[in-house]
Amino acid sequence: GQQLNQSPQSMFIQEGEDVSMNCTSSSIFNTWLWYKQDPGEGPVLLIALYKAGELTSNGRLTAQFGITRKDSFLNISASIPSDVGIYFCAGQGIQGAQKLVFGQGTRLTINP
Amino acid sequence: DTGVSQDPRHKITKRGQNVTFRCDPISEHNRLYWYRQTLGQGPEFLTYFQNEAQLEKSRLLSDRFSAERPKGSFSTLEIQRTEQGDSAMYLCASSLRSNTGELFFGEGSRLTVL
Repeated sequence: GQQLNQSPQSMFIQEGEDVSMNCTSSSIFNTWLWYKQDPGEGPVLLIALYKAGELTSNGRLTAQFGITRKDSFLNISASIPSDVGIYFCAGQGIQGAQKLVFGQGTRLTINP
Repeated sequence: DTGVSQDPRHKITKRGQNVTFRCDPISEHNRLYWYRQTLGQGPEFLTYFQNEAQLEKSRLLSDRFSAERPKGSFSTLEIQRTEQGDSAMYLCASSLRSNTGELFFGEGSRLTVL
């Protein structure tokens, strides 16, 4: 079945540093999304990408939909303590299919 | 609070018992989803409703699992004859726009099967 490989699995950074994580797939996706999950909570949507090559920003977050439609990256600039959490990429495949396929997550830890 | 609500938040049960989870989506959202998340993994799709119609089911949804959305509003997910492998977080999500992947998740119902 479809699988997303997310890397790195975990990151330990200092407050103020920039962060970069990515997601790759052997399958083509029509939509790429990035979600963040805090402990004990459900995932929250950060950014949605709908076109190959699209680059979208949301505050300090920037994400890109890879031109091959098989990958995406997420960058966080000038990290702050509330950025701590688990970041998931997700892909939506063929037109009309409703399910999202999620990566295994990148756990971000920030040292103040 | 007008977000997606799930009940109960935590359930501990013995193997072989039946459990039922409830999800109340955001009121104007006609699409409702169930996902399962195990420790250290991303959510896995279980099933999808548009209004009261169950339109998509994962192969993960064995015959011990059944989901309903009888009036197109709240939904229930029942697991019969629970097994230890059913221990997971069961997440409900809703959306208004189709084919966008923009889901609003609830806080989840954590199931522990002893």
